[in-house]
Amino acid sequence: AQSVTQLDSQVPVFEEAPVELRCNYSSSVSVYLFWYVQYPNQGLQLLLKYLSGSTLVKGINGFEAEFNKSQTSFHLRKPSVHISDTAEYFCAVSVAAGNKLTFGGGTRVLVKP
Amino acid sequence: EPEVTQTPSHQVTQMGQEVILRCVPISNHLYFYWYRQILGQKVEFLVSFYNNEISEKSEIFDDQFSVERPDGSNFTLKIRSTKLEDSAMYFCASRQDYNEKLFFGSGTQLSVL
Repeated sequence: AQSVTQLDSQVPVFEEAPVELRCNYSSSVSVYLFWYVQYPNQGLQLLLKYLSGSTLVKGINGFEAEFNKSQTSFHLRKPSVHISDTAEYFCAVSVAAGNKLTFGGGTRVLVKP
Repeated sequence: EPEVTQTPSHQVTQMGQEVILRCVPISNHLYFYWYRQILGQKVEFLVSFYNNEISEKSEIFDDQFSVERPDGSNFTLKIRSTKLEDSAMYFCASRQDYNEKLFFGSGTQLSVL
C-alpha cells in the first residue's frame, strides 16, 4: 500500500514571496507522483505530474516540483506567488499512470497582500 | 476546458435514506471514478468504472454503495441506506484513456442528519 504525507496543513505566505509545499510518500513499489490544486468551490485540477525522466517537473501557473527518490519526496515550489494562488494543494501517488490515486491530507495556501 | 459536472452541489438527507449523487463526465471519456473527502480527512478513492463495470473498488465501497452509467452520459453513485459517517464531499472524475489526465468535478457535499 502507498501513503502520502503533507507535512504542512496550512502555509501563509506574502504575495510575491516564494513558497514550498512538502510532500513525502511511502511505497514498496515505484510510483507516479502528482500535485493537484483545488480553488474555492471548484474541483481538483492537475498542476503537474512525474511519470519518468527528468526529476524536475514544470507545471501550470509557474509551479514546479522535484522528485527525490532517495528522500521519497516530491516537494512543490513556486518562486513568486500571487493572490490567485490561494487554494488547497494535494499531493498524490499511484502505482500506474491511470491507476487510483492515494492523496495526502492537503496544504492550504493563503497568500496575503 | 471541458468540465465534469456534478449535481447537486449540496445534498442533505436523513439517516437511513437512499441518496443518488449525479455526475456528467466529459463526453468522450471512458474511465470514471468516485472519490470522497470526509471533513478534515484525506481524499479517498471509492471506485473506478470502465466498459460498464467496476474495475476496482476500495474497502469503503461496500454493499451499501453502487454505481451506474444509466444512459451513456450520466454516472451515478447510490448509497442505499445512508449513515452519519457517509457525510462527506463526493468527487466524480473521468479520463479519456487510461494514461490521460484525470478531470475532477467540483463535488457534492453530502450531509447525513
